[in-house]
Amino acid sequence: DIQMTQSPSSLSASIGDRVTISCRASQGIRNSVAWFQQKPGKAPKSLIYAASTLQSGVPSKFSGSGSGTDFTLTISSLEPEDFATYYCQQYNIYPITFGQGTRLEIK
Amino acid sequence: EVKLVESGGGLVQPGGSLRLSCAASGFSFSSYWLSWVRQAPGKGLEWVANIKQDGSEKNYADSVKGRFTISRDNAKSALFLQMNSLRADDTAVYYCTREGRVVVVPADWGQGTLVTVST
Repeated sequence: DIQMTQSPSSLSASIGDRVTISCRASQGIRNSVAWFQQKPGKAPKSLIYAASTLQSGVPSKFSGSGSGTDFTLTISSLEPEDFATYYCQQYNIYPITFGQGTRLEIK
Repeated sequence: EVKLVESGGGLVQPGGSLRLSCAASGFSFSSYWLSWVRQAPGKGLEWVANIKQDGSEKNYADSVKGRFTISRDNAKSALFLQMNSLRADDTAVYYCTREGRVVVVPADWGQGTLVTVST
C-alpha cells in the first residue's frame, strides 16, 4: 500500500499567516492527490484534487502543488474558519490511502 | 444541492452484521462513482470501498475485504454497505461520498452515521 506522510502533524499559526502543509507519498503517484478539511464534529470538506485543482466553491486562498512523491497545500492568508484538520489522499493506486492529518491551531 | 444522508448505524455485538444506507438527492445519481469512508473515534480518515456508476466495478480496503459489500440501487438513488463479521476496530463514523466527475475522489460528503461494535 502507498503510505502518505503529512508534516507537520500539528501547526500553530496566526490570523493572516501563510501556511504550508506537506504530504509525501511512499512511491510516485503522478498528480493523483486530493486534500480535505475537517472541523471538529463535522464531515470532511473536499478542497483540491489532481494536486492543484480546486473543487467547486473553494476559495482561491487555498492552493495545491506537487507531482510524483511530494505535495503541498498552502493557505495564503489564514482566517478564523481555516483552523481545522487537513488530510491528503492518494487515489493513483488501490487501496486509496489518506495521510494521518495535520491539525492547524490558532496561535 | 447535493444531499447525502446516511442511516443504519448503531450498536452491534462483535461478529454481528449491519447494513448502512445512503439516500442521495440533488444530482444524477447513476452518473457518479460513490464511496464509503470511515473515521474511528479520535482517528484519521480511512477509505473503505467504492463502486462504479453501474455497479460493475467495486473496490475494497484490505481491512474489510470479504466482510463488507458495497452496492447501489440507481432507481432509488441509494448506496449501501453490508457489513458482516463486525469487529471492535470497525467502530467508526461511516461517511457516504459522491465522487467527482473527472476523478474518483470525494467531492461531496454526507454527515456520517456512527457504528459501534461492542459487547
